[in-house]
Amino acid sequence: GAVVSQHPSRVICKSGTSVKIECRSLDFQATTMFWYRQFPKQSLMLMATSNEGSKATYEQGVEKDKFLINHASLTLSTLTVTSAHPEDSSFYICSANFGRGSYEQYFGPGTRLTVT
Amino acid sequence: GIQVEQSPPDLILQEGANSTLRCNFSDSVNNLQWFHQNPWGQLINLFYIPSGTKQNGRLSATTVATERYSLLYISSSQTTDSGVYFCAVEDYKLSFGAGTTVTVRA
Repeated sequence: GAVVSQHPSRVICKSGTSVKIECRSLDFQATTMFWYRQFPKQSLMLMATSNEGSKATYEQGVEKDKFLINHASLTLSTLTVTSAHPEDSSFYICSANFGRGSYEQYFGPGTRLTVT
Repeated sequence: GIQVEQSPPDLILQEGANSTLRCNFSDSVNNLQWFHQNPWGQLINLFYIPSGTKQNGRLSATTVATERYSLLYISSSQTTDSGVYFCAVEDYKLSFGAGTTVTVRA
């Protein structure tokens, strides 16, 4: 149980284009979903927290107009990187929490974005 | 924000050896999780352990919340245990340590 999927697993796009990454909780309803970014050989940094049906809460320093997050249902959140630039190249990982008194987060397999 | 320190940063083990990884944190937490990140980047949940002791096969973990540390024990290590081990703690958000890179040699 508690499986989180991401799509795509890997994407290469040209500078200036937008890319959408999907995060789905497959066998549970996620009260809250989270988006993280990981640079090579570094730790994970939280970008934003989203609750179904409400606006995402972004961490300090994360541009909300560049990283658009939509949490349309209890099983789906999307991250859109708008007008991507090479410095946006990174590993993006989502996670989900099903609440009910538990803080445990379950992580997706990640999406490797390369902007050329 | 909360500070999370993991030690050691790197660990090289011979197959069959035992090891202990440590996670220190600077404040009270609601959540503490241990993860193993495999070579493909997938974070695998090892333990959800805000306090107490848990065991799962060759792995076990202990969190002493009052003293703000957690330990992850790997016994009889195998080459498949190689990878990066992260400790993450949550006050209002999940904050990750820098990780311990474990290499198990056959």
